[in-house]
Amino acid sequence: ELKVEQNPLFLSMQEGKNYTIYCNYSTTSDRLYWYRQDPGKSLESLFVLLSNGAVKQEGRLMASLDTKARLSTLHITAAVHDLSATYFCAVEPGYALNFGKGTSLLVTP
Amino acid sequence: GAVVSQHPSRVICKSGTSVKIECRSLDFQATTMFWYRQFPKKSLMLMATSNEGSKATYEQGVEKDKFLINHASLTLSTLTVTSAHPEDSSFYICSARRGSLNTEAFFGQGTRLTVV
Repeated sequence: ELKVEQNPLFLSMQEGKNYTIYCNYSTTSDRLYWYRQDPGKSLESLFVLLSNGAVKQEGRLMASLDTKARLSTLHITAAVHDLSATYFCAVEPGYALNFGKGTSLLVTP
Repeated sequence: GAVVSQHPSRVICKSGTSVKIECRSLDFQATTMFWYRQFPKKSLMLMATSNEGSKATYEQGVEKDKFLINHASLTLSTLTVTSAHPEDSSFYICSARRGSLNTEAFFGQGTRLTVV
């Protein structure tokens, strides 16, 4: 059974701090996705990581992929309130995406 | 990027009635679309894979007679929740790929279904 595990599931952090969200998956997947979801909204694509060692950065977010360890990280640098949202990672062992449980992030002043 | 449009964004219906949700790929052809369901504060669960011109493939535990999927064209898939009950209330999201496996998936805006 495919498992996609995110850690932590809930994260409250102060503005200006750094933190990392982890995504472990249990099956082979050459690519990994990170999405953001705001309350009541659909998914917004953040990153598509296509190969082992891939690193992508957008603003205060940076994502990396280690396919050998089956691990991806989403690093938050100097968090701001606007980053408060739920973040999902997803893998695609087949044609559909399988999602982690999501990390609910709250950035406080 | 590619656009996937989902309609309606919100719907309230009475128990026992049926509701149709549409998912359209606006600027590309999608041979395959996916339907997900999301409970409050939970992850997305794949319900079914919709294939143009053929029957949908349902995930284990999803009632195909309750959740009817039709993919009649390369730009439109519909999900009909039949004889809806309050427990069917949820957030439904569709997704589509532009073509083959090695293409990014795009998501619709989601439909909030409330059955009263």
